[in-house]
Amino acid sequence: AQTVTQSQPEMSVQEAETVTLSCTYDTSESDYYLFWYKQPPSRQMILVIRQEAYKQQNATENRFSVNFQKAAKSFSLKISDSQLGDAAMYFCAYRSAGYTGANSKLTFGKGITLSVRP
Amino acid sequence: DSGVTQTPKHLITATGQRVTLRCSPRSGDLSVYWYQQSLDQGLQFLIQYYNGEERAKGNILERFSAQQFPDLHSELNLSSLELGDSALYFCASSVDGGSSYNEQFFGPGTRLTVL
Repeated sequence: AQTVTQSQPEMSVQEAETVTLSCTYDTSESDYYLFWYKQPPSRQMILVIRQEAYKQQNATENRFSVNFQKAAKSFSLKISDSQLGDAAMYFCAYRSAGYTGANSKLTFGKGITLSVRP
Repeated sequence: DSGVTQTPKHLITATGQRVTLRCSPRSGDLSVYWYQQSLDQGLQFLIQYYNGEERAKGNILERFSAQQFPDLHSELNLSSLELGDSALYFCASSVDGGSSYNEQFFGPGTRLTVL
């Protein structure tokens, strides 16, 4: 079974600065997807960024980028120019890329609470 | 707004009771997923339905059951409720059953409190 570990429960960043959130995972599969989800105080789950394991290039979405190290099974999220609206809980998640329905579930880490100081 | 709706938003009930949570997927989505978010267990997958059929099962208790109806809405039934069942229950939907990547869109969740 796949596991996702987020070892830092909380982090804080100054507005306009850069912060990196860490995530490691364990899997025996070679093809999969990794995600970062944001959960603001409203509790809505919002997809921030997605990475396909077969792609060597790191995904980027505006101020959000990832550092995907497949061999090390590491998947960190970098938030540049942090804004007050970035304050939220962030979850790292894993999904198999197989072709059976059982593979489409998301496996989440415990999450990290990010606060942004004005 | 993801297009996934869940009712009710909040539910307060007593131990031993039975409740039903409802989810309407985005228009055109055939798959519905149920997740539970609790302080103890974090966010975990419960069960998936695809076009009316159960497709995958996760850490779902025997006291819990789900179904997907012909109009594709889904219901999660929780019975013999215990204090530990208090959690935020999310429904997510996607276009297909997992044969290729399709984003799962999450509903706003139902907050269940068991007293």
